[in-house]
Amino acid sequence: GEDVEQSLFLSVREGDSSVINCTYTDSSSTYLYWYKQEPGAGLQLLTYIFSNMDMKQDQRLTVLLNKKDKHLSLRIADTQTGDSAIYFCAEMSGGYNKLIFGAGTRLAVHP
Amino acid sequence: DAMVIQNPRYQVTQFGKPVTLSCSQTLNHNVMYWYQQKSSQAPKLLFHYYDKDFNNEADTPDNFQSRRPNTSFCFLDIRSPGLGDAAMYLCATSGGQTYEQYFGPGTRLTVT
Repeated sequence: GEDVEQSLFLSVREGDSSVINCTYTDSSSTYLYWYKQEPGAGLQLLTYIFSNMDMKQDQRLTVLLNKKDKHLSLRIADTQTGDSAIYFCAEMSGGYNKLIFGAGTRLAVHP
Repeated sequence: DAMVIQNPRYQVTQFGKPVTLSCSQTLNHNVMYWYQQKSSQAPKLLFHYYDKDFNNEADTPDNFQSRRPNTSFCFLDIRSPGLGDAAMYLCATSGGQTYEQYFGPGTRLTVT
């Protein structure tokens, strides 16, 4: 069945790079997404990647996609305390109207 | 600037007392979604509307209903809330070419 898996927790030092990893199962996924959720708030779309791309860069964010291994990663350069949040990976599945979310990775940034 | 608006942000209801949560959007998107999110979990899709076409997830309890009177508004009705229904309820919309979903800030429901 459809499943998206992420590691649950990541701790980094301020100024370092963070890499959040995700694996998915639906090889027909057309788009994959990264969302950020701060405490008590909704989900904020950070970036997305089309399945025919290997990499996408947007300012401090770099998304890498390995379709063969069904592996997606989000790299945040120069991580700041304001980046502390839960990051959700999601794949489009079952038609264009449905997203399958991972359980989220909690990123903690310390001085 | 707000694109997906949810009201209220916090709702307290009593066990078994019906409650309605509201969502509106200024994006003119044709798809609207309701998700339930419990602490430290992924959002769980309850149902979605493609225009007026209602799509229920197979495991969404009958206790949850939805209405979409027009493109801009969508409501979530919980007919008889139980303690297990306490959660954050997220509304989202979709209509762009890359099918991304835009979320509202959520309504946190407490059941006493």
